[in-house]
Amino acid sequence: GAGVSQSPSNKVTEKGKDVELRCDPISGHTALYWYRQSLGQGLEFLIYFQGNSAPDKSGLPSDRFSAERTGGSVSTLTIQRTQQEDSAVYLCASGGNRVIQYFGAGTRLSVL
Amino acid sequence: GQQLNQSPQSMFIQEGEDVSMNCTSSSIFNTWLWYKQDPGEGPVLLIALYKAGELTSNGRLTAQFGITRKDSFLNISASIPSDVGIYFCAGHPFYNQGGKLIFGQGTELSVKP
Repeated sequence: GAGVSQSPSNKVTEKGKDVELRCDPISGHTALYWYRQSLGQGLEFLIYFQGNSAPDKSGLPSDRFSAERTGGSVSTLTIQRTQQEDSAVYLCASGGNRVIQYFGAGTRLSVL
Repeated sequence: GQQLNQSPQSMFIQEGEDVSMNCTSSSIFNTWLWYKQDPGEGPVLLIALYKAGELTSNGRLTAQFGITRKDSFLNISASIPSDVGIYFCAGHPFYNQGGKLIFGQGTELSVKP
């Protein structure tokens, strides 16, 4: 597709379960970002992939959070042993040569 | 981490009124971006600014890159109900080699018909 695609759009899980969130960036974009947005809040940076460089993981809140980007394209954000405070919208963005980031619609995660 | 100071945090205005919001930083930025987020959607780029002093319009929206390179404002003229949403500023710090942006906390705009 033409834009950033995220799946699933909504995810409800039980506390303690693992979840995987997927992001398909815009074709050809070398940069990919994950953010977390709690209700009514701003964007909290999680992790940044740029080409083949080591990812910037400085925003990951705990070691329960990890992300991969396979083949320089699709990315998966994994949250292990989910907690209720993990409930939020997880946004993915991709970028090309300039610093503009293009966002997907997000995955709304609810941990019961 | 570093954040931008975005104000106001929220605005309640009457349809037809003009709106102004701004962002300030203690660091110099080389790019300023303004995004709008509708409920249930991701942020969408409205305006990008690349030079100090640059003034750019997009329809009823006008944004400026401050001369000091530490601030930017967004104006919306003659607001309409579909302007409702959260507006975010974002800046690319001068010292940053990668594409990572710093985001403001957002301005939530409500428009009363």
